[in-house]
Amino acid sequence: DADVTQTPRNRITKTGKRIMLECSQTKGHDRMYWYRQDPGLGLRLIYYSFDVKDINKGEISDGYSVSRQAQAKFSLSLESAIPNQTALYFCATSVSGQETQYFGPGTRLLVL
Amino acid sequence: AQSVTQLDSQVPVFEEAPVELRCNYSSSVSVYLFWYVQYPNQGLQLLLKYLSGSTLVKGINGFEAEFNKSQTSFHLRKPSVHISDTAEYFCAVRSAGGSYIPTFGRGTSLIVHP
Repeated sequence: DADVTQTPRNRITKTGKRIMLECSQTKGHDRMYWYRQDPGLGLRLIYYSFDVKDINKGEISDGYSVSRQAQAKFSLSLESAIPNQTALYFCATSVSGQETQYFGPGTRLLVL
Repeated sequence: AQSVTQLDSQVPVFEEAPVELRCNYSSSVSVYLFWYVQYPNQGLQLLLKYLSGSTLVKGINGFEAEFNKSQTSFHLRKPSVHISDTAEYFCAVRSAGGSYIPTFGRGTSLIVHP
């Protein structure tokens, strides 16, 4: 079983709709991240959380919000989706004091 | 502030040929450096990392990278590639004394032809 899971894996939605992407991990890591990947732009950080009570904005947080419901769960919400939020979204985890990040399989989002 | 530049967006190569994927970084302090690989339809996984010590770092699948502080580079190499190495490769940098969040490059697509 995968250590970092993301649901859904694919999602098509319409402009203006609210959607939530979910991430769960069984690695016991305290730190979780949300990135988006766009062709030619690499990975850009949206939000990150160092523990359940800690939420921090990343490079491109506008139009997004997050919730850290438990150490193992970190959700990303698009309050009112727009077409330029069409992208591949990755959740990642890490443990404090170690440098490696572990990535989920990604959620491919299409906003029409 | 930290930044990373991957100099090639795409690198085509024939099977069994050597390959080098280039990465340059910028930081005002000491850095940690990483290479991640993304196979088609998968998430990223760590290939190798440099934290300190020997500047030549060996990773999985026969890859290695050399940290060159004077050139601010961390180029990835493999002496003989396989078809299965076809993937997207990301270089990442993290300032050792600052935020724990790495900055990723834009990626290099390695395409191995038979």
